[in-house]
Amino acid sequence: EVQLLESGGGLVQPGGSLRLSCAASGFTFSNYAMSWVRQAPGKGLEWVSTISASGGSTYYADSVKGRFTISRDNSKNTLFLHMNSLRAEDTALYSCASLQLPYYCRGDSCYPFPWGQGTLVTVSS
Amino acid sequence: SYELTQPPSVSVSPGQTARITCSGDALPKKYAYWYQQKSGQAPVLVIYEDSKRPSGIPERFSGSSSGTMATLTISGAQVEDEADYYCYSTDSSGNHRRVFGGGTKLTVL
Repeated sequence: EVQLLESGGGLVQPGGSLRLSCAASGFTFSNYAMSWVRQAPGKGLEWVSTISASGGSTYYADSVKGRFTISRDNSKNTLFLHMNSLRAEDTALYSCASLQLPYYCRGDSCYPFPWGQGTLVTVSS
Repeated sequence: SYELTQPPSVSVSPGQTARITCSGDALPKKYAYWYQQKSGQAPVLVIYEDSKRPSGIPERFSGSSSGTMATLTISGAQVEDEADYYCYSTDSSGNHRRVFGGGTKLTVL
């Protein structure tokens, strides 16, 4: 079964740091570019960052560039998001997802690539 | 920065056809994807590469794209289709930016 499981969220003060993790299973993680997406309470989905399958290329939304760093460990099937200089507006549910290839195929059928349930980050004093 | 524009809300009666649009300048060159998010749940892909439907998604869901507009159509909408729908695509300017539309709340009642 294809699964993504996020962890590492919590309450942090403005200016603080946090590292999120996403454990992947059920698929060949090293073949997939992976992304982080966030959703502030009551708001829509916002793309945060994407890393290539090898980890050699990374991309960021303007709102987090210079503060967040995406990385991955393909030997441990894990995706990371290092968040520095956190602001109140970073408060959101953070989810990992395969956006570049949002489906996986088994035989002749292709299925939606599932998202994890997310990990909540709250930035507040 | 690149944006995808969706109507904030669409409302239909059960059995009617719901159409949700997504407008973006790069859509003639880039695929559109559609996600359904029910309250308190993770998003689920319902259409990929403009018009392809993943296995397990009901046949009443279909997608199309023409020019700068992509459309998600739900033919014979059911009460269980009530959810937020988001289009997703990428910028064509070479900066590899991804973007979600603002989301459309579909009400079926």
